[in-house]
Amino acid sequence: SQTIHQWPATLVQPVGSPLSLECTVEGTSNPNLYWYRQAAGRGLQLLFYSVGIGQISSEVPQNLSASRPQDRQFILSSKKLLLSDSGFYLCAWSVARYKNIQYFGAGTRLSVL
Amino acid sequence: GQQLNQSPQSMFIQEGEDVSMNCTSSSIFNTWLWYKQEPGEGPVLLIALYKAGELTSNGRLTAQFGITRKDSFLNISASIPSDVGIYFCAGQEISSGSARQLTFGSGTQLTVLP
Repeated sequence: SQTIHQWPATLVQPVGSPLSLECTVEGTSNPNLYWYRQAAGRGLQLLFYSVGIGQISSEVPQNLSASRPQDRQFILSSKKLLLSDSGFYLCAWSVARYKNIQYFGAGTRLSVL
Repeated sequence: GQQLNQSPQSMFIQEGEDVSMNCTSSSIFNTWLWYKQEPGEGPVLLIALYKAGELTSNGRLTAQFGITRKDSFLNISASIPSDVGIYFCAGQEISSGSARQLTFGSGTQLTVLP
């Protein structure tokens, strides 16, 4: 069966510090991968998606970047965090044989202080 | 960009009551999904709909894909305390590309009172 892992679960970082959130998927190959941000428990905002290794599409201009160094690994990064980067970050995967339904990880709660 | 209007934004109901929420869009979707999110967790898929008019159940949950392909509703019958959470609709447009991006509603916060 397929599983998705996100870590860390929670993170408190000072303004101006770097960020690295990791997401990995098990049990499937060549998944589409997604990073979302959720503010105040509502509204999922798509940040990045990837259809393959090294292929990243950005949905909104921002202080964040994403990379996909391996087929089932998706990383969300920042060189210098802003207060406005605080939020709940969710990774998701989908594959065509499962009708491209997106399945979500447990999320990372990021607090920038 | 595409937006989904999900209503109501929040609901307070008594245990045992039925619940109904819906989503409407300005364009046609070929897939409607309903997710539930509990505090501190990621959304979990409840029901997936693929054809106009399709009515699908999952236990006490029932969802329908609107005939116009621009709306969907979710019903919960005989609510129980563990139904508490945020319910999201999500739609996928035919033109959403190879990544099959989803458009999400803003969520319905459900509170079940004992």
